[in-house]
Amino acid sequence: DTGVSQDPRHKITKRGQNVTFRCDPISEHNRLYWYRQTLGQGPEFLTYFQNEAQLEKSRLLSDRFSAERPKGSFSTLEIQRTEQGDSAMYLCASSSDRLTGPQHFGDGTRLSIL
Amino acid sequence: AQSVSQHNHHVILSEAASLELGCNYSYGGTVNLFWYVQYPGQHLQLLLKYFSGDPLVKGIKGFEAEFIKSKFSFNLRKPSVQWSDTAEYFCAVNPSSGDKLTFGTGTRLAVRP
Repeated sequence: DTGVSQDPRHKITKRGQNVTFRCDPISEHNRLYWYRQTLGQGPEFLTYFQNEAQLEKSRLLSDRFSAERPKGSFSTLEIQRTEQGDSAMYLCASSSDRLTGPQHFGDGTRLSIL
Repeated sequence: AQSVSQHNHHVILSEAASLELGCNYSYGGTVNLFWYVQYPGQHLQLLLKYFSGDPLVKGIKGFEAEFIKSKFSFNLRKPSVQWSDTAEYFCAVNPSSGDKLTFGTGTRLAVRP
């Protein structure tokens, strides 16, 4: 079963460092989403792509965050100059190009800032 | 902007008890509604979804949910829970014309054997 794949599963870094996460969606899905989940909360939307186009960005996505999806395949989420408040689980999801297609989630990348 | 409220943060039940988890949403237009489940150590999985039609939706593992438009509610039910239903349950909504999901804060269910 080739579901949504995220790498790495865990990332520990010092405050001020840059980190990059990767997401590989289900192969036939052309919509890709990033969410962030903190303890005791549900996932919060960050941004999403249709193919290679980034169509929406949340206000949660500060200037230190950038996401790309070159060639409409995998996506990367980069956080520059990490802060304590960036510690969270970063989730990726994908869906097919139908408005009624549900989103399928990956296992997430847990980011811990020391 | 839409929002989702899940009233129960923690629920503890014995096996064979009936389950109902509340979910209310706030949005002025037509929405799609979802329940996702996260078992310990696993990723979010779709339990069931409502897009249109019959407001009583059946999902996997014996779960069902009823969309009551007048109450902006989408409560999740199961007649008889099992220990394996121990998990965190999230209600989510997106506008019918949009994509991004808005999640509730989740309900942690613990089922005692």
